[in-house]
Parts: sequence; C-alpha cells; structure tokens
Amino acid sequence: AQTVTQSQPEMSVQEAETVTLSCTYDTSENNYYLFWYKQPPSRQMILVIRQEAYKQQNATENRFSVNFQKAAKSFSLKISDSQLGDTAMYFCAFMKHWKSSGDKLTFGTGTRLAVRP
Amino acid sequence: DGGITQSPKYLFRKEGQNVTLSCEQNLNHDAMYWYRQDPGQGLRLIYYSQIVNDFQKGDIAEGYSVSREKKESFPLTVTSAQKNPTAFYLCASSWDRRNTIYFGEGSWLTVV
Repeated sequence: AQTVTQSQPEMSVQEAETVTLSCTYDTSENNYYLFWYKQPPSRQMILVIRQEAYKQQNATENRFSVNFQKAAKSFSLKISDSQLGDTAMYFCAFMKHWKSSGDKLTFGTGTRLAVRP
Repeated sequence: DGGITQSPKYLFRKEGQNVTLSCEQNLNHDAMYWYRQDPGQGLRLIYYSQIVNDFQKGDIAEGYSVSREKKESFPLTVTSAQKNPTAFYLCASSWDRRNTIYFGEGSWLTVV
C-alpha cells in the first residue's frame, strides 16, 4: 500500500517571499503520478501541479514548482512570490500509473499555509 | 461552463435516516469518485466508478452505497449503517486513470 507523509502541519510565510512544503511517500511502484492540491477556506480542492514519475524534469506552473527526488521518494512544493490568496491547506497526493491495478489518489494529511501581509 | 456540481451544499440528517448526495458532471469524464474528508485528515476514497453501471469500493465503503446509471451522474447514499457520517464529502471525476482528478465544491453532512 502507498502512504503519503506531510510532516509540516502548519507553515507561515511573509507575502512576496518563498516557502517550501515537504512531502514524502512510500511505494514499490516505479511508475506513478504525484500531485499537489490546494484547498482554500471554500473547501474546494484545486489542482496546483502534477508530476509524472518517469519524467526527470521538475514540473513548474507559474509561481509553483516542485523538487521531485525519485530515489529519496520526496516531492516538495515551492511557492515563489507568495500571495495572500495562497493561504490554504495544501495536500500532497499519489496515484499509481494507469497500467497498475487500482487508481485511487492517496492523500497526505495536509499542510496549512498562512501568508502574512 | 463545464464542471462538477454537488448538491446540496449543506445537509442535516437525523439518526437512522438515509440521505443521498448528488454529483453531476458535464465534462464527459468516464471516471467518477467519492471522497470523505474529516478534520485534520486528508481525503479518503469511499467509492469509484470507471464506467457506467460499474463501480468499486474504496477504503471506507462500509455504510455507503452508490449507483452509476448515467455517465454524468454518480449519487452517494449515506445509510443508517454508517456510524459516524458527519463529514465533508467531495465528488471528483477524470477522463480515465491516466488523467488528473478534478473535484466538485463538496457537501457538508451533519448528523443531528
């Protein structure tokens, strides 16, 4: 079974600064997908970024980028130029490759990020 | 606009009653999912469906039931057998197992 661990329950960052959220996972799979989702106070889950394990290049989406270390099973999220609207709960999630049996998303427990003005 | 619509947003249930949460999507996605979220926890999978008239149990299916009679609809029934149903419920969908899962806005269920 896969597990996803987010060791930082809460974090805080000053507006316009950079913050990194940590995520580690455990799996015996070689091919899989990793995601970061954002959940603002409205509670809707919003996709931030997606990484495919077979791609060595780290995914980037505007101010959001990841540091994917496959051997270390680490998948951290870096938010640059933090904005007040980034205040939210952030979840790291894992999904097996589509050719594997089972396709559920496995979530970490989340990191609550507060951006200070 | 395309999206995933959940209703109602807030629902109160008396002990011993069954309630049904609606989930409709107009994204033409094949796969649909139901997740439950409790305070301080991530999401846990209740049921999922890859195609019409077929669905599988997730990690916490006990006390829940689903149907998938139409591609765009995947209602979730919380039965009286569910011991602790108070939670936030999220419906999601995706093209297939290769693609990203997108979520609706969620429904709050409270047992009174």
